[in-house]
Amino acid sequence: GAGVSQTPSNKVTEKGKYVELRCDPISGHTALYWYRQSLGQGPEFLIYFQGTGAADDSGLPNDRFFAVRPEGSVSTLKIQRTERGDSAVYLCASSKAGTGGFEQYFGPGTRLTVT
Amino acid sequence: KQEVTQIPAALSVPEGENLVLNCSFTDSAIYNLQWFRQDPGKGLTSLLLIQSSQREQTSGRLNASLDKSSGRSTLYIAASQPGDSATYLCAAPIGGNQFYFGTGTSLTVIP
Repeated sequence: GAGVSQTPSNKVTEKGKYVELRCDPISGHTALYWYRQSLGQGPEFLIYFQGTGAADDSGLPNDRFFAVRPEGSVSTLKIQRTERGDSAVYLCASSKAGTGGFEQYFGPGTRLTVT
Repeated sequence: KQEVTQIPAALSVPEGENLVLNCSFTDSAIYNLQWFRQDPGKGLTSLLLIQSSQREQTSGRLNASLDKSSGRSTLYIAASQPGDSATYLCAAPIGGNQFYFGTGTSLTVIP
């Protein structure tokens, strides 16, 4: 069906607020990844889901960041007490399965600006 | 430290030229390597995926090679067009689930 979708496309929030970013992967893809991309840099890995479980969350920068995928499809990245340094483009990708050679497909990203 | 590096950081060529973009990685035990294109303000578009058992993949004017022993991949673009102007990124799952990206090569094709 359709590609990976992410909402919102842009989010402006004040320092200290809570935000949620949503990712809707390609139907049937069991693996889902979150990345963060700062200007002029490549995407930086945050977390990887296989099905409903977070198989690798070693890229989350601190405990203000949390992600869920309760039904193994849509995922939400949650950031508490946002800081200006959290401003970046948050990208989501999905693949048919996890590591082992499957192509990743990316969404358009959510641009988060913390003022 | 696991790293993926891309050289050059920026490249400008006249239309019609063939060009090569380079990607190097520190771990020869990668599962695969993927090349992406990113247009300004947009997400990433997958171009080619090379499995660890393959040496190259082709799609249209694009050809990507993989040499695990030397830790290198190249993306060859034939007969470049202004529409090829974008940032090209390579990524590999080094050391497990984490996909590491290079910082990209910004390509400008001059009409």
